Amino acid sequence: DAGVIQSPRHEVTEMGQEVTLRCKPISGHDYLFWYRQTMMRGLELLIYFNNNVPIDDSGMPEDRFSAKMPNASFSTLKIQPSEPRDSAVYFCASTLSGTEEQYFGPGTRLTVT
Amino acid sequence: LAKTTQPISMDSYEGQEVNITCSHNNIATNDYITWYQQFPSQGPRFIIQGYKTKVTNEVASLFIPADRKSSTLSLPRVSLSDTAVYYCLVGDIPAGGYNKLIFGAGTRLAVHP
Repeated sequence: DAGVIQSPRHEVTEMGQEVTLRCKPISGHDYLFWYRQTMMRGLELLIYFNNNVPIDDSGMPEDRFSAKMPNASFSTLKIQPSEPRDSAVYFCASTLSGTEEQYFGPGTRLTVT
Repeated sequence: LAKTTQPISMDSYEGQEVNITCSHNNIATNDYITWYQQFPSQGPRFIIQGYKTKVTNEVASLFIPADRKSSTLSLPRVSLSDTAVYYCLVGDIPAGGYNKLIFGAGTRLAVHP
């Protein structure tokens, strides 16, 4: 398996623009997670899904952030409009219920100018 | 939430054994202890998980005393490639309690030649 796939790997955009991050989890995994990592706040869980259904979105910073999982093999995290403080590395991870570990993707480095 | 406390940083030399201790005084009965490793510009990677006593795999050992209020990750004979940030997490993972897992700041391990 190729592991968790994220795209793009790097994104540079201007304040006010819409940003869409994409994730393909490992085939067969039923949990999918979106994390954000910054120097100031460390690694934070934004939202996670189980069987394509959002379970907990309490980590989503505000209404500008939204996440969807239309099917078991694809998820998006959208920021609209983006702001400079959204600059961070965004990780997607997946796991299979009953197993021990989350598998993380390589991350998307977002820079909002 | 089970809060964890671990040293901000540690230094070691190649070939030495490294022990990183994590305190989790308010760990709940159903909580498991999980350790992740993160290299620069990569997502975290699962190392080991345990509930009590000792767990060993090909990478590390995890020691958990009877009261479970702390745990120690042991890395035998470290090499330069073990330089990374190590995170201790506590949560009821088998029950899907992912929203209660907090990565925190982690321990930054630097291995020197």
